Amino acid sequence: GAGVSQTPSNKVTEKGKYVELRCDPISGHTALYWYRQSLGQGPEFLIYFQGTGAADDSGLPNDRFFAVRPEGSVSTLKIQRTERGDSAVYLCASSPGGEPKNIQYFGAGTRLSVL
Amino acid sequence: KQEVTQIPAALSVPEGENLVLNCSFTDSAIYNLQWFRQDPGKGLTSLLLIQSSQREQTSGRLNASLDKSSGRSTLYIAASQPGDSATYLCAAPRKGGTSYGKLTFGQGTILTVHP
Repeated sequence: GAGVSQTPSNKVTEKGKYVELRCDPISGHTALYWYRQSLGQGPEFLIYFQGTGAADDSGLPNDRFFAVRPEGSVSTLKIQRTERGDSAVYLCASSPGGEPKNIQYFGAGTRLSVL
Repeated sequence: KQEVTQIPAALSVPEGENLVLNCSFTDSAIYNLQWFRQDPGKGLTSLLLIQSSQREQTSGRLNASLDKSSGRSTLYIAASQPGDSATYLCAAPRKGGTSYGKLTFGQGTILTVHP
């Protein structure tokens, strides 16, 4: 595709439910990042993939959060036993490689609301 | 740990004014400094990327400067237009660590340009 695609654009769920958020990066981009943006704040890093492997998951807040990228392209962020504090916009970005000089291209995000 | 701060948090100006957005960071060991634009309900669009060896970058009416020694960057917008209204975010990937390209963001400056 032309850009980074994230689905769904909006997700409303109840406390305690499981959710999956999907990210389709730009074709050929090996680096993929997940960020979380709370209202009125800048995005905060969650996890970074280089290819299929999670090179850095230090930003995941707890073990309810998990992400995969099994074939080195599409990535899924999974949240178990959702809590109201998980409500935020989840942003995905990709870049040609993991080098800092590369611009990261962001998707429009998934707005998650936990009721 | 890198901390990025943006001042002001919000700015409202009449059309045609020149304006400056400020970004400060605590750790000068950065690869580059990036400025993004975020429209409501949208993802982030990269505006300018200044490499650590550079002092400034220009794109159209936008000019960004970088002073690593003082831990500051400024985004200058000339002849502002209503279409410039958005949230502006600065971010820096820190040198070292396991995650190249992992960005630390400021909280953003909400810019409103009124006709």
